[in-house]
Amino acid sequence: DAKTTQPNSMESNEEEPVHLPCNHSTISGTDYIHWYRQLPSQGPEYVIHGLTSNVNNRMASLAIAEDRKSSTLILHRATLRDAAVYYCIPMRSNFGNEKLTFGTGTRLTIIP
Amino acid sequence: GAGVSQTPSNKVTEKGKYVELRCDPISGHTALYWYRQSLGQGPEFLIYFQGTGAADDSGLPNDRFFAVRPEGSVSTLKIQRTERGDSAVYLCASSSRGLAPYNEQFFGPGTRLTVL
Repeated sequence: DAKTTQPNSMESNEEEPVHLPCNHSTISGTDYIHWYRQLPSQGPEYVIHGLTSNVNNRMASLAIAEDRKSSTLILHRATLRDAAVYYCIPMRSNFGNEKLTFGTGTRLTIIP
Repeated sequence: GAGVSQTPSNKVTEKGKYVELRCDPISGHTALYWYRQSLGQGPEFLIYFQGTGAADDSGLPNDRFFAVRPEGSVSTLKIQRTERGDSAVYLCASSSRGLAPYNEQFFGPGTRLTVL
């Protein structure tokens, strides 16, 4: 599995954009990049995923570097509810390799 | 609709005892996963079921851990001769498709296991 590097923690002011980086320099050409987050005392929840192009959904945007060695999760307008640990997870496209390999993630603190 | 549910939410047991943790996946989800999360760490994969069979049990730490899913729905994680190091939050997740990478997993709230 590809290794990932994320900052241990980040802070952001409420209602401002947040850019959460992830380095995944050993990613294979067919690995998708998934992001999950874990709110306090809850199980993780899916945020977004992508392969090469930038992706948008109702929760966030995902910007993937052209060489795919890094990506950035963008929360356009952070709210207090976005305080969570964010995990960047490369996943192989092979059928049968279903496990999510979590690192230690980035703990995001939102300042009111 | 109903999400993934796990029971009990908390379990305290003594070293050497046997415990069972239950997971009710989202109805119709064929894939089911177990993870465990130690304090300050990300979740760690234990086992994955596709239907009734274990498709990948490479994360089970040793033969004290066993999981079943006899009817392809509810799953039970069983831990024999519990040790203090087994204390963690045990998370269950389910997904509707087994074909990665379109494999969004829906997680339950977890069972916090404490072994005294």
